[in-house]
Formats: sequence, C-alpha cells, structure tokens
Amino acid sequence: DQQVKQNSPSLSVQEGRISILNCDYTNSMFDYFLWYKKYPAEGPTFLISISSIKDKNEDGRFTVFLNKSAKHLSLHIVPSQPGDSAVYFCAAISANAGGTSYGKLTFGQGTILTVHP
Amino acid sequence: KAGVTQTPRYLIKTRGQQVTLSCSPISGHRSVSWYQQTPGQGLQFLFEYFSETQRNKGNFPGRFSGRQFSNSRSEMNVSTLELGDSALYLCASSWAVGGGATTQYFGPGTRLTVL
Repeated sequence: DQQVKQNSPSLSVQEGRISILNCDYTNSMFDYFLWYKKYPAEGPTFLISISSIKDKNEDGRFTVFLNKSAKHLSLHIVPSQPGDSAVYFCAAISANAGGTSYGKLTFGQGTILTVHP
Repeated sequence: KAGVTQTPRYLIKTRGQQVTLSCSPISGHRSVSWYQQTPGQGLQFLFEYFSETQRNKGNFPGRFSGRQFSNSRSEMNVSTLELGDSALYLCASSWAVGGGATTQYFGPGTRLTVL
C-alpha cells in the first residue's frame, strides 16, 4: 500500500516558466510534509516543508501548497532554472503520533524534473 | 555547521559477508534515521534511533540492525549479505527532541554493492 504517491514520473519545463510537482497521500495521520531534491548517488537535499496546520509555505522560488481535504500537496518552482533539474521527492510523517511513527518519513516514488534552457 | 557525514561512501562485498556503515549526524541532532534506496522499492525506512535507543523499525529482516552511541553517531550492520541488499543506504539526522515536526537532513549515502 503506497501511502504517498507522485503520479508523474517526469516533468519537462522551459527555463523561466513555472514547474508544478504534485503529490497525493492516503494516510490522514500525516501532519508534516517535506520536499527533497535528489541527484543520482547522492543524498536528498531538503527544500521546503509544511505543517498540516498551514495551507501554504514559501521560501524564495519554492512554494508548497497543502490541500488537506483532497490529501494533496504541490511544489511550485518559479522561475525554473536549468540547475533545478533533478529528481524531486515528497515525503510525509506523522510527527506527533509517536510509536511506530518516530523518525519515519514515507516517500513518494519521485518525479524527474528537466528544465530546458 | 557541518552536515551529515557517512562512511564509507562506496563498499563492495560478497554474499554471506557482513557490513557496518557509519553515520555522524549534524551537531546537536539526537535523532538518526536510516533508509535504503533501490530502483524497485524507492526510499524505504529502516530504523530510527534517539538517545541510544531504537524507537522505530521498518519492515526489514533481522539481518539489518543498528545502534547509536552517546555522541549520537550511529552505525548500521547488515549480516549475511544477499544480492538484493545492493542499494544506496542513507542516514538522516534531525533535532526531534520530544517528538513533533522536525526536518530530517540527509547524508551523501553509502553505495553498497553485493557480488
């Protein structure tokens, strides 16, 4: 049972335009969500996070939107740059549930973003 | 502040051997989580340690074990290696004092190849 899903394996965008990456989740206990950027054979790099008490969080070119009723979050990158080309993972955690939730991020399968010059 | 470090970066072993991987968290972070990344299964949670105690464990066989030291450094061990254990092993550290929402920061990973 995949509790976090990224249904688009890849996304291609022109430099300067907006990139929108999507993520859906099924576990209503998830209350903290994160986006990571990853290059092959390297560890994920943290980009931005959002708590379930918010519906939007911004950090520079990155904005994350959370729609709890739809169990959906999205990452907007504006403007997109060629250096943004990488695999993007969304992750979720039940931060306040304790027990079998301690330290356990559940990841989506990732979306390959390619930004063309 | 230095990031999460992992050693070694690359490792080649043969079936049946055992391996120990090391992780040093960001200074001040007391929680360390371990993950396995494979092309077929993606990023899967192995276990989490906090203050030298394993608080959570993922769905992996008992051949996978770990520990945490008083300085928060952590090691994971895989015994009786199988071909399917070939993967990128990642550790992540976070503040995580008393639970709650804290961000995990990842190390560069250890690439294990089992021949």
